[in-house]
Amino acid sequence: EVQLLESGGGLVQPGGSLRLSCAASGFTFNNFAMNWVRQAPGKGLEWVSGISGSGANTYYADSVKGRFTISRDKSKTTLYLQMSGLRVDDTAVYYCAKDRFSGSFSPFDQWGQGTLVTVSS
Amino acid sequence: DIQMTQSPSTLSASVGDRVTITCRASQNINIWLAWYQHKPGKAPNLLIYKASTLESGVPSRFSGSGSGTEHTLTISNLQPEDFATYYCQQYNNYPWTFGQGTKVEI
Repeated sequence: EVQLLESGGGLVQPGGSLRLSCAASGFTFNNFAMNWVRQAPGKGLEWVSGISGSGANTYYADSVKGRFTISRDKSKTTLYLQMSGLRVDDTAVYYCAKDRFSGSFSPFDQWGQGTLVTVSS
Repeated sequence: DIQMTQSPSTLSASVGDRVTITCRASQNINIWLAWYQHKPGKAPNLLIYKASTLESGVPSRFSGSGSGTEHTLTISNLQPEDFATYYCQQYNNYPWTFGQGTKVEI
């Protein structure tokens, strides 16, 4: 059974930093790209960042480019999102999501339960 | 970036109804479109991918169609558990983008 367990959320002041983790199990971690998707309070889903199975390629939404860094650890089968320069509008539930297929052109078939990040003074 | 526009934003329906949600892309996304169901406090659930392929385990009352810039999700014989918010998502070009969501309510 695929499991994705996010952690690391919490309350942080504007301009601060936070690192989210997503512990993955139940599938061959290196074979699949992984993603972070967020949902701000009362808003819709927003794709934040993605990383290829090898970790060689990373992608970002314009809203977080230059502030967030996605990475993955093969030995720990864990996905990370390092967030810096946090803004109030980064407040959201952050989900990690697994690609359905290896390679390109894939939707997300497995999601974690999410971790809440609140940016407030 | 590709903009995804869903309509309607809210849809009022009854059990047994057939409902259709439309998703328009600002440019050609071929068939690289997915539909998700999202309920409050839960993880989103993949329903349809590649515009019209039903994900394993998803009831057959859900169907998708379209290509290019126009796509639709149809739910036939709406069931109580189908009241939720539905999102389309394009995965043709980075950055991946979602529609703003359609809330299906009673």
